[in-house]
Amino acid sequence: DVKVTQSSRYLVKRTGEKVFLECVQDMDHENMFWYRQDPGLGLRLIYFSYDVKMKEKGDIPEGYSVSREKKERFSLILESASTNQTSMYLCASSFLGSNQPQHFGDGTRLSIL
Amino acid sequence: GDSVTQMEGPVTLSEEAFLTINCTYTATGYPSLFWYVQYPGEGLQLLLKATKADDKGSNKGFEATYRKETTSFHLEKGSVQVSDSAVYFCALRSGNTPLVFGKGTRLSVIA
Repeated sequence: DVKVTQSSRYLVKRTGEKVFLECVQDMDHENMFWYRQDPGLGLRLIYFSYDVKMKEKGDIPEGYSVSREKKERFSLILESASTNQTSMYLCASSFLGSNQPQHFGDGTRLSIL
Repeated sequence: GDSVTQMEGPVTLSEEAFLTINCTYTATGYPSLFWYVQYPGEGLQLLLKATKADDKGSNKGFEATYRKETTSFHLEKGSVQVSDSAVYFCALRSGNTPLVFGKGTRLSVIA
């Protein structure tokens, strides 16, 4: 079974802090993704990566950056956390190809106070 | 660009009722289609998929058929259970692009 592990289920941080959300997958997937999920807005893509050291902006990249130094790990960074970044964050990974599903982690519920 | 439209929820059904959640899509080319389920407090789980026209995906009593002529991928189950209460997402993937999701449909099944 594919395992996508997010480092924290719940996280509380303060405004202005630099926040790191970590995601690790164990299936040698090329692609990795970060989404945020908010009530009424569905899933919105923040950043994704097709391979190590590659990154592409998604629909809402402002205020975020990412790092992919190793194939299995994809980190989401909130450079200076703000209250409007309080959300559920979901990481996913997949093989290359349109017929390949994305596999999701359990999510990190992040609160910025 | 590609898009997915699914029926607004919430949907409330009695146990053993028949379920249909409508999903239609707009895409260039020939996308693969997916249904995901999200139980409370969890991430999304793949429920089923179909990769070409007329394919039927099925899992745990749920089914969906890829209909190219109507650009649809409706989710059905013959007899729902309380444990099926969750949010269901329809999604498509074209090429090696990220999944495009619908907004999700919340299903509540009451005993």
